[in-house]
Amino acid sequence: GAGVSQTPSNKVTEKGKYVELRCDPISGHTALYWYRQSLGQGPEFLIYFQGTGAADDSGLPNDRFFAVRPEGSVSTLKIQRTERGDSAVYLCASSLMGLGTYNEQFFGPGTRLTVL
Amino acid sequence: GENVEQHPSTLSVQEGDSAVIKCTYSDSASNYFPWYKQELGKGPQLIIDIRSNVGEKKDQRIAVTLNKTAKHFSLHITETQPEDSAVYFCAASRSSGSARQLTFGSGTQLTVLP
Repeated sequence: GAGVSQTPSNKVTEKGKYVELRCDPISGHTALYWYRQSLGQGPEFLIYFQGTGAADDSGLPNDRFFAVRPEGSVSTLKIQRTERGDSAVYLCASSLMGLGTYNEQFFGPGTRLTVL
Repeated sequence: GENVEQHPSTLSVQEGDSAVIKCTYSDSASNYFPWYKQELGKGPQLIIDIRSNVGEKKDQRIAVTLNKTAKHFSLHITETQPEDSAVYFCAASRSSGSARQLTFGSGTQLTVLP
């Protein structure tokens, strides 16, 4: 089947605006992760969902960032009052969960967010 | 939390030579160590992984080794080809509990010269 998809591929916004980034995980993957990748750096963890609930949101930098996964499939990362420092590539990954599985995470192509 | 260090940051090799990238980790509870290849403008692609119950794994021209005692793991690419040129990331995670996120190294830009 299809891999992880993310929309939009690019988003340009102005400082102070609100943005939503969407992730469609691989069908059947119950775990979904958001990461942020700044230029020249490795991805940094933001939040992890197991099903519909956020199992770990310790990576969210502040309360301007929020993510939902209401039906346990598609997820939306929401950023309020965007700042120039939010500019980065936002990556989504999904994985299977369960006995005997490890943590193979498959990434989407990312959304490049630019805050002017 | 986990901390992963990766070296070197850049690596240039001649086509046909081998390339080695090394990583260390800090959390003794980490038990899963994937390697990702990232091409310009694309998301990271899983190329190989190793679990803590084995010391070495090989897949064609790519091999990974793990030393749990030293908390050290490495990626070996043999017979390099120009299409191997990309940024490579190592990562570490647990496979149980709530802390399942991947912690990445800072990346290695590999250039294979024809």
